[in-house]
Amino acid sequence: QQQVKQSPQSLIVQKGGISIINCAYENTAFDYFPWYQQFPGKGPALLIAIRPDVSEKKEGRFTISFNKSAKQFSLHIMDSQPGDSATYFCAASMLGGGNKLTFGTGTQLKVEL
Amino acid sequence: SAVISQKPSRDICQRGTSLTIQCQVDSQVTMMFWYRQQPGQSLTLIATANQGSEATYESGFVIDKFPISRPNLTFSTLTVSNMSPEDSSIYLCSGRDTANEKLFFGSGTQLSVL
Repeated sequence: QQQVKQSPQSLIVQKGGISIINCAYENTAFDYFPWYQQFPGKGPALLIAIRPDVSEKKEGRFTISFNKSAKQFSLHIMDSQPGDSATYFCAASMLGGGNKLTFGTGTQLKVEL
Repeated sequence: SAVISQKPSRDICQRGTSLTIQCQVDSQVTMMFWYRQQPGQSLTLIATANQGSEATYESGFVIDKFPISRPNLTFSTLTVSNMSPEDSSIYLCSGRDTANEKLFFGSGTQLSVL
C-alpha cells in the first residue's frame, strides 16, 4: 500500500535526448509527489514536485506528468546534458502522514556525449 | 531554502561501538526526519525526530538501536548504537522547510563498520 514503484533502474541517453523515468503508486491518499536528484556523495536535492490537482508541471527542462486515474507519474528531462547524470528518486507523501516521504527505488541516469 | 549541515560526512567504526551523527539547520523547521540509504539503494525512513519529545520510529527501527534527540527546532542527533557491519550505510537527515513545506536533505554520513 505504501510502495512507490520506479522504472527503469538505469537509463542511458544521448546528449540532447529526452530522459523519461516512471513511477507508480498504490495509496490514493498520497497527495504530494516530488522528484529528487542525487549525485554521488551528496544528499538528495529536490528537483520538482507536483500535487494531484494538476496533470503537468514544468520547470525549465524538467517536466512532471501526472495521471491520477492510473496512479502514475513521470519525470521528463528535455535536452538531457552530461551534467544531468545522477540518480533520480520519485517519492510520495500525504499531509495526514506527517509529510513522511516514501521513495521509489531510484533510476541511475547517464547522459552520454 | 534552508540548509542542513550534517557531520561527520563519513566514518569508519569498529563493531560494538556507537556513533552520533549531528544535523544543524540554518533556520527553524517544523519536522526533521532520519533516513538510511544502503549502497545503491533507495532511502528508508528510520524515524521522525520530534522537538522536545521522543522520536517516532518506523517499523523495524527501535530506540535502543537508534536513539534520537531533538532539543530545539534547528538541531537533531542520531546515534547508531552497538554497531555491526550490517549498519554500514549512508545516514541522512532531512527537514521540512516552514516557508515552502518542501523537504530537503543534509549531505549524508557514510558509515562503514568493520
